[in-house]
Amino acid sequence: GEDVEQSLFLSVREGDSSVINCTYTDSSSTYLYWYKQEPGAGLQLLTYIFSNMDMKQDQRLTVLLNKKDKHLSLRIADTQTGDSAIYFCAETDSNYQLIWGAGTKLIIKP
Amino acid sequence: NAGVTQTPKFQVLKTGQSMTLQCAQDMNHEYMSWYRQDPGMGLRLIHYSVGAGITDQGEVPNGYNVSRSTTEDFPLRLLSAAPSQTSVYFCASSSGKNYEQYFGPGTRLTVT
Repeated sequence: GEDVEQSLFLSVREGDSSVINCTYTDSSSTYLYWYKQEPGAGLQLLTYIFSNMDMKQDQRLTVLLNKKDKHLSLRIADTQTGDSAIYFCAETDSNYQLIWGAGTKLIIKP
Repeated sequence: NAGVTQTPKFQVLKTGQSMTLQCAQDMNHEYMSWYRQDPGMGLRLIHYSVGAGITDQGEVPNGYNVSRSTTEDFPLRLLSAAPSQTSVYFCASSSGKNYEQYFGPGTRLTVT
Protein backbone atom coordinates (compact mmCIF):
# COMPACT_ATOMS: atom_id res chain seq x y z
CA GLY A 1 0.00 0.00 0.00
CA GLU A 2 0.94 3.64 -0.01
CA ASP A 3 3.58 4.75 2.45
CA VAL A 4 5.17 8.02 3.46
CA GLU A 5 8.51 8.00 5.27
CA GLN A 6 10.33 10.68 7.22
CA SER A 7 13.19 10.78 9.69
CA LEU A 8 11.88 11.13 13.23
CA PHE A 9 14.29 13.86 14.40
CA LEU A 10 16.31 16.74 12.99
CA SER A 11 18.55 18.99 15.07
CA VAL A 12 19.81 22.33 13.72
CA ARG A 13 21.41 25.46 15.13
CA GLU A 14 19.40 28.63 15.35
CA GLY A 15 19.99 30.69 12.23
CA ASP A 16 20.94 27.72 10.06
CA SER A 17 18.71 26.21 7.38
CA SER A 18 16.64 23.14 8.20
CA VAL A 19 15.90 20.56 5.53
CA ILE A 20 13.23 18.00 6.31
CA ASN A 21 12.95 15.12 3.86
CA CYS A 22 10.09 12.83 2.93
CA THR A 23 9.68 9.94 0.52
CA TYR A 24 6.35 8.68 -0.72
CA THR A 25 5.17 5.77 -2.84
CA ASP A 26 1.93 6.78 -4.57
CA SER A 27 2.89 8.23 -7.93
CA SER A 28 -0.73 9.29 -8.54
CA SER A 29 -0.65 11.85 -5.71
CA THR A 30 -2.02 15.16 -6.88
CA TYR A 31 -1.05 17.23 -3.86
CA LEU A 32 1.71 16.86 -1.29
CA TYR A 33 1.49 18.69 1.98
CA TRP A 34 3.56 19.86 4.89
CA TYR A 35 1.75 20.29 8.19
CA LYS A 36 3.22 21.68 11.39
CA GLN A 37 2.27 20.56 14.90
CA GLU A 38 3.34 22.68 17.82
CA PRO A 39 3.45 21.10 21.31
CA GLY A 40 -0.01 20.28 22.66
CA ALA A 41 -1.78 21.53 19.54
CA GLY A 42 -3.43 20.17 16.45
CA LEU A 43 -1.82 20.17 13.04
CA GLN A 44 -1.78 23.25 10.87
CA LEU A 45 -1.18 23.41 7.14
CA LEU A 46 2.21 24.97 6.46
CA THR A 47 2.42 24.68 2.70
CA TYR A 48 1.56 22.36 -0.15
CA ILE A 49 2.75 21.64 -3.66
CA PHE A 50 0.83 20.44 -6.66
CA SER A 51 2.32 17.37 -8.31
CA ASN A 52 3.10 19.14 -11.59
CA MET A 53 5.40 21.62 -9.81
CA ASP A 54 9.08 21.18 -8.94
CA MET A 55 9.46 23.95 -6.43
CA LYS A 56 7.40 26.32 -4.36
CA GLN A 57 8.73 29.18 -2.27
CA ASP A 58 6.87 31.03 0.44
CA GLN A 59 8.95 33.46 2.50
CA ARG A 60 11.39 31.31 4.54
CA LEU A 61 9.92 28.06 3.25
CA THR A 62 11.01 26.24 0.09
CA VAL A 63 9.38 23.00 -1.00
CA LEU A 64 11.19 20.84 -3.56
CA LEU A 65 9.52 17.93 -5.32
CA ASN A 66 11.40 15.24 -7.24
CA LYS A 67 8.69 13.14 -8.83
CA LYS A 68 11.12 10.68 -10.40
CA ASP A 69 12.54 9.74 -6.98
CA LYS A 70 9.24 10.39 -5.15
CA HIS A 71 11.09 12.71 -2.80
CA LEU A 72 9.73 15.84 -1.14
CA SER A 73 11.69 18.24 1.00
CA LEU A 74 10.92 21.28 3.13
CA ARG A 75 13.65 23.83 3.65
CA ILE A 76 13.27 26.43 6.40
CA ALA A 77 15.76 29.27 6.02
CA ASP A 78 17.15 31.09 9.08
CA THR A 79 15.60 28.63 11.52
CA GLN A 80 14.18 30.27 14.65
CA THR A 81 13.21 28.86 18.04
CA GLY A 82 9.56 29.32 17.04
CA ASP A 83 10.11 26.74 14.30
CA SER A 84 10.44 24.01 16.94
CA ALA A 85 7.64 21.60 16.12
CA ILE A 86 6.85 18.30 14.48
CA TYR A 87 6.57 18.52 10.70
CA PHE A 88 4.36 16.05 8.89
CA CYS A 89 4.55 15.19 5.23
CA ALA A 90 1.33 13.89 3.63
CA GLU A 91 0.24 12.80 0.18
CA THR A 92 -3.18 12.13 -1.28
CA ASP A 93 -3.93 8.59 -2.41
CA SER A 94 -6.11 7.61 -5.36
CA ASN A 95 -9.22 8.12 -3.19
CA TYR A 96 -8.01 11.58 -2.17
CA GLN A 97 -7.41 10.40 1.38
CA LEU A 98 -4.33 11.74 3.10
CA ILE A 99 -1.50 9.33 3.82
CA TRP A 100 0.70 10.70 6.57
CA GLY A 101 4.33 10.33 7.48
CA ALA A 102 5.28 9.75 11.12
CA GLY A 103 6.48 13.33 11.53
CA THR A 104 9.94 14.87 11.95
CA LYS A 105 10.62 16.60 15.25
CA LEU A 106 12.70 19.71 14.59
CA ILE A 107 14.98 20.57 17.51
CA ILE A 108 16.64 23.99 17.55
CA LYS A 109 19.99 24.36 19.31
CA PRO A 110 20.99 27.84 20.52
CA ASN B 1 -15.17 31.51 14.08
CA ALA B 2 -14.17 28.94 16.68
CA GLY B 3 -12.90 26.59 13.93
CA VAL B 4 -12.82 22.94 15.01
CA THR B 5 -13.52 22.25 18.67
CA GLN B 6 -13.06 18.99 20.53
CA THR B 7 -14.13 17.89 23.97
CA PRO B 8 -12.88 16.67 26.31
CA LYS B 9 -9.18 17.59 26.16
CA PHE B 10 -8.21 14.69 28.43
CA GLN B 11 -10.00 11.49 29.40
CA VAL B 12 -9.11 8.40 31.39
CA LEU B 13 -11.25 5.30 30.91
CA LYS B 14 -11.22 1.83 32.35
CA THR B 15 -11.16 -1.14 29.99
CA GLY B 16 -14.67 -1.93 28.80
CA GLN B 17 -16.12 1.54 29.38
CA SER B 18 -17.72 3.44 26.53
CA MET B 19 -17.59 7.12 25.75
CA THR B 20 -18.10 9.69 23.02
CA LEU B 21 -15.51 12.18 21.85
CA GLN B 22 -17.17 15.33 20.60
CA CYS B 23 -16.16 17.31 17.54
CA ALA B 24 -17.81 20.39 16.09
CA GLN B 25 -16.91 22.88 13.36
CA ASP B 26 -18.50 26.18 12.45
CA MET B 27 -17.01 26.62 8.96
CA ASN B 28 -19.80 24.79 7.10
CA HIS B 29 -17.31 22.17 5.91
CA GLU B 30 -18.66 19.06 4.26
CA TYR B 31 -15.67 16.85 4.98
CA MET B 32 -14.88 15.75 8.51
CA SER B 33 -12.42 13.11 9.71
CA TRP B 34 -11.23 11.43 12.87
CA TYR B 35 -7.57 10.47 13.25
CA ARG B 36 -5.53 8.88 15.97
CA GLN B 37 -1.92 9.83 16.58
CA ASP B 38 0.45 7.38 18.20
CA PRO B 39 4.16 7.95 18.98
CA GLY B 40 6.43 7.28 16.00
CA MET B 41 3.51 6.85 13.64
CA GLY B 42 1.72 9.13 11.26
CA LEU B 43 -1.89 10.05 11.72
CA ARG B 44 -4.17 7.13 10.99
CA LEU B 45 -7.66 7.71 9.68
CA ILE B 46 -10.40 6.11 11.76
CA HIS B 47 -13.61 7.28 10.07
CA TYR B 48 -14.57 10.12 7.81
CA SER B 49 -17.68 11.80 6.47
CA VAL B 50 -18.29 13.61 3.20
CA GLY B 51 -21.50 15.23 4.37
CA ALA B 52 -24.42 14.95 6.76
CA GLY B 53 -25.77 11.41 6.81
CA ILE B 54 -22.72 9.94 5.03
CA THR B 55 -19.86 8.22 6.82
CA ASP B 56 -17.20 5.73 5.80
CA GLN B 57 -14.42 3.73 7.36
CA GLY B 58 -10.81 4.73 7.29
CA GLU B 59 -7.68 2.72 7.92
CA VAL B 60 -8.37 1.72 11.56
CA PRO B 61 -12.15 1.72 12.18
CA ASN B 62 -12.46 -1.27 14.51
CA GLY B 63 -13.78 -0.40 17.97
CA TYR B 64 -15.12 3.00 16.88
CA ASN B 65 -18.46 4.26 15.59
CA VAL B 66 -19.37 7.60 14.07
CA SER B 67 -22.49 9.39 12.94
CA ARG B 68 -23.08 12.67 11.13
CA SER B 69 -26.58 13.94 11.74
CA THR B 70 -25.64 17.57 11.12
CA THR B 71 -22.96 19.35 9.08
CA GLU B 72 -21.46 20.78 12.25
CA ASP B 73 -21.05 17.73 14.49
CA PHE B 74 -19.11 14.50 14.05
CA PRO B 75 -18.90 12.51 17.31
CA LEU B 76 -16.66 9.47 17.71
CA ARG B 77 -17.90 6.68 19.95
CA LEU B 78 -15.71 4.10 21.63
CA LEU B 79 -17.91 1.11 22.21
CA SER B 80 -15.83 -0.83 24.72
CA ALA B 81 -12.53 0.84 25.47
CA ALA B 82 -9.30 -1.17 25.26
CA PRO B 83 -5.74 -0.20 26.26
CA SER B 84 -4.80 -0.30 22.55
CA GLN B 85 -7.06 2.73 22.09
CA THR B 86 -4.83 4.87 24.29
CA SER B 87 -3.88 7.64 21.90
CA VAL B 88 -4.38 11.27 20.95
CA TYR B 89 -7.46 11.75 18.82
CA PHE B 90 -7.80 14.56 16.31
CA CYS B 91 -10.85 15.70 14.47
CA ALA B 92 -10.40 17.62 11.22
CA SER B 93 -12.64 19.30 8.68
CA SER B 94 -12.20 20.62 5.17
CA SER B 95 -14.30 22.09 2.41
CA GLY B 96 -13.24 19.45 -0.09
CA LYS B 97 -11.10 16.41 -0.73
CA ASN B 98 -7.94 18.25 -1.75
CA TYR B 99 -8.46 21.26 0.43
CA GLU B 100 -6.68 22.26 3.61
CA GLN B 101 -7.71 20.27 6.65
CA TYR B 102 -8.38 22.22 9.81
CA PHE B 103 -7.59 20.33 12.97
CA GLY B 104 -9.03 20.50 16.44
CA PRO B 105 -6.71 20.67 19.47
CA GLY B 106 -7.01 16.95 20.14
CA THR B 107 -8.27 14.66 22.91
CA ARG B 108 -5.70 12.71 24.89
CA LEU B 109 -7.30 9.39 25.88
CA THR B 110 -5.81 6.88 28.30
CA VAL B 111 -7.39 3.47 28.78
CA THR B 112 -6.25 1.54 31.84
